[in-house]
Amino acid sequence: SYVLTQPPSVSVAPGQTARITCGENNIGSKSVHWYQQKPGQAPVLVVYDDSDRPSGIPERFSGSNSGNTATLTISRVEAGDEADYYCQVWDSSSDHRVFGGGTKLTVL
Amino acid sequence: QVQLVQSGAEVKKPGASVKVSCEASGYTFTSQYLHWVRQAPGQGLEWMGVINPSAGSTSFAQKFQGRITMTRDTSTSTVYMELSSLRSEDTAVYYCARGRWGKRNSYYFDYWGQGTLVTVSS
Repeated sequence: SYVLTQPPSVSVAPGQTARITCGENNIGSKSVHWYQQKPGQAPVLVVYDDSDRPSGIPERFSGSNSGNTATLTISRVEAGDEADYYCQVWDSSSDHRVFGGGTKLTVL
Repeated sequence: QVQLVQSGAEVKKPGASVKVSCEASGYTFTSQYLHWVRQAPGQGLEWMGVINPSAGSTSFAQKFQGRITMTRDTSTSTVYMELSSLRSEDTAVYYCARGRWGKRNSYYFDYWGQGTLVTVSS
């Protein structure tokens, strides 16, 4: 079954670009979705189907997916972007919705 | 607007059962599957299972087979998740989330409930 690998933490200065990766063999053949979770709050969908944004999500959030790695990119990072970020796919072989282990984004 | 409103926090003893509710509003209840995802303290997200509110059919993660039940009440647009034989490791925040089909036969969660803390302690 799928095991999605994310770095435990990523740090970036305000105004810079943060890139959070999600790795698995041939993940590029699947659609990847990303969630933002701030402390004490429920997750929020920020990118779906690799690169689409739900309404209300800033254009600073973008995604890509190819080969063995999917990437969530946050441009012009703000203090309010500090959160945990999770990638997610659907493993059709097991019919399980699989989450990555999460990445804590710290804004320096 | 779509809303998923969950029941309040619970404290249970080991071996007991807990039943958490999730009331949906702002869309046609029977049109989208509803899922349960949990998060242990300081840990990541773990998918538990799904219910089809229209048919009442369910599918569960292997880990919870035999101890989890999901039901729905279409008259109140509410789904329920019951977890039995609780142990300390089940202490977590439990979320309901609405599922949506995406491209390439993918699946994602577009709306989430506020979460219900279940504490298992003797």
